[in-house]
Amino acid sequence: KAGVTQTPRYLIKTRGQQVTLSCSPISGHRSVSWYQQTPGQGLQFLFEYFSETQRNKGNFPGRFSGRQFSNSRSEMNVSTLELGDSALYLCASSPEGLYNSPLHFGNGTRLTVT
Amino acid sequence: QKEVEQNSGPLSVPEGAIASLNCTYSDRGSQSFFWYRQYSGKSPELIMFIYSNGDKEDGRFTAQLNKASQYVSLLIRDSQPSDSATYLCAIPGNYGGSQGNLIFGKGTKLSVKP
Repeated sequence: KAGVTQTPRYLIKTRGQQVTLSCSPISGHRSVSWYQQTPGQGLQFLFEYFSETQRNKGNFPGRFSGRQFSNSRSEMNVSTLELGDSALYLCASSPEGLYNSPLHFGNGTRLTVT
Repeated sequence: QKEVEQNSGPLSVPEGAIASLNCTYSDRGSQSFFWYRQYSGKSPELIMFIYSNGDKEDGRFTAQLNKASQYVSLLIRDSQPSDSATYLCAIPGNYGGSQGNLIFGKGTKLSVKP
């Protein structure tokens, strides 16, 4: 079974631009979550989608948005990029997002904002 | 605001010893607790979850939960160099035990010396 696939693996953008990251979950998984990982703040929850609906949202500004398609694939978008948005963005999927079904993380997209 | 605190380490133990990793959390209502392992340059993977007071054992790993003290620990017996990684403690961001929305500690870096 293929794992969680994130594309692209690396991105370099300049301040003010916008970026879209993509995540394909494991086949059959309906919950997709996004996390931002930085050395200073660690892993921080961005949002979770389940059956095309945003189920949970973390404390990030509105510049961060996402969506999920009917095939469970998900995208996240960051508009008006800031230097502080440089981070590893991780996508995770699980069948239902419940406590007894592990989150499976993708390899992440490394975003650098210059 | 729910918080998870971990000693950042590094925690260094000799091969064959017991490694003890600790985590405290702020929310008394938390029901489920997760330990993830993250190797350098890799994505996190779930190694244990626990949702009731007491101990839970899985191979060389034991999770211990004390809800009264808001404390959860992970013991690794017979530590191996391959256990060298950052260990992340996490709780659900909302009730119900959903893993789709997790609050992570910043992690403890473990180094097992041969």
